[in-house]
Amino acid sequence: DAKTTQPNSMESNEEEPVHLPCNHSTISGTDYIHWYRQLPSQGPEYVIHGLTSNVNNRMASLAIAEDRKSSTLILHRATLRDAAVYYCILRVGGNQFYFGTGTSLTVIP
Amino acid sequence: NAGVTQTPKFRVLKTGQSMTLLCAQDMNHEYMYWYRQDPGMGLRLIHYSVGEGTTAKGEVPDGYNVSRLKKQNFLLGLESAAPSQTSVYFCASSQETSWDTQYFGPGTRLTVL
Repeated sequence: DAKTTQPNSMESNEEEPVHLPCNHSTISGTDYIHWYRQLPSQGPEYVIHGLTSNVNNRMASLAIAEDRKSSTLILHRATLRDAAVYYCILRVGGNQFYFGTGTSLTVIP
Repeated sequence: NAGVTQTPKFRVLKTGQSMTLLCAQDMNHEYMYWYRQDPGMGLRLIHYSVGEGTTAKGEVPDGYNVSRLKKQNFLLGLESAAPSQTSVYFCASSQETSWDTQYFGPGTRLTVL
């Protein structure tokens, strides 16, 4: 029973914005939406998280649908260093993260 | 401030052998986690701990045991390794709250022959 659904791969040109979608139709009211990314041969690293409202930080923006059944991670200007696998994750019950298979982002110079 | 460290980085075992993976964090975090990542897949939670002396099962706990005797350390044990346990193992830690960031270690690549 997949908790999040993401496209397997996406491409973006360098210095252009990237919108990475995620569906989480079974989300409950207390589940936070987290985004992490994983560079090759490294552990995942935190990108952004939110509950209901849109969120911005120095790395990205998170847009959450009004019904919370989907969200979009926005990288405002993709760089070559942003090439990674991006995971949209629900934090269920406070303790457990459910990773999906993620979206592999390729940035084209 | 080293963050989260894992020992060893690589290991090859024969079927039936045992081993312990060590995770250490210097951020005074309450929560610690062990995940495994198989090729082309996301991470799956094996066990986690919400504080010193506590452990709980995650999504895929069978074949593994854990201990959290000290707050800064979280050990993952394989009593009798099987080829299906060939994977990359990641440890992570976080503070208590449900929205808090998890900090991951660099991973341990384990091969069971």
